[in-house]
Amino acid sequence: GAGVSQSPSNKVTEKGKDVELRCDPISGHTALYWYRQSLGQGLEFLIYFQGNSAPDKSGLPSDRFSAERTGGSVSTLTIQRTQQEDSAVYLCASSLDHSGGTYEQYFGPGTRLTVT
Amino acid sequence: AQKITQTQPGMFVQEKEAVTLDCTYDTSDQSYGLFWYKQPSSGEMIFLIYQGSYDEQNATEGRYSLNFQKARKSANLVISASQLGDSAMYFCAMTPNAGNMLTFGGGTRLMVKP
Repeated sequence: GAGVSQSPSNKVTEKGKDVELRCDPISGHTALYWYRQSLGQGLEFLIYFQGNSAPDKSGLPSDRFSAERTGGSVSTLTIQRTQQEDSAVYLCASSLDHSGGTYEQYFGPGTRLTVT
Repeated sequence: AQKITQTQPGMFVQEKEAVTLDCTYDTSDQSYGLFWYKQPSSGEMIFLIYQGSYDEQNATEGRYSLNFQKARKSANLVISASQLGDSAMYFCAMTPNAGNMLTFGGGTRLMVKP
């Protein structure tokens, strides 16, 4: 079946602009995650959605970052007033429900964000 | 808080030989999950293998095996019969008891020589 898809694959934006990154998880996966991969910080967890529960936002680096997940499926990560340090690859992953077990996460191809 | 340490930033291995990639972790959780992911130059993260903290046997998936030593808090990845296509970054990661977010190590770049 189809894997996790992300769009756009590349995004170049000017400092101070807002950007939206989209993630479409694997059908049937109730858990969705956003991570960021940058040269300086490695791979960092940002936010986690599980079913209808309130998201775990503990990894968001500032209040400029927010995310939502509509209808338990597609998710959008929004970065407001982008800064150059936001330049990174943003990875989305999905997995089956973790309650009662731990499941591997399947990653999308990522969105490379460049803030000029 | 959880921490993953991968002490080998880069490694070479001869094609067809076995290689071990080191991973140590630190956590106060009694229950956790350990994962290895492969990231080729194309950028996608590929799941390789999983080990639960209560699993008594080491996990194996084809040419991949996880050498889990709980008392030493290590979860090394062993790749047998290396292939040129194994050249990639390899990340060790773990999940806590509650929640499923991954904490990643810094990665090891493996280069397979023909």
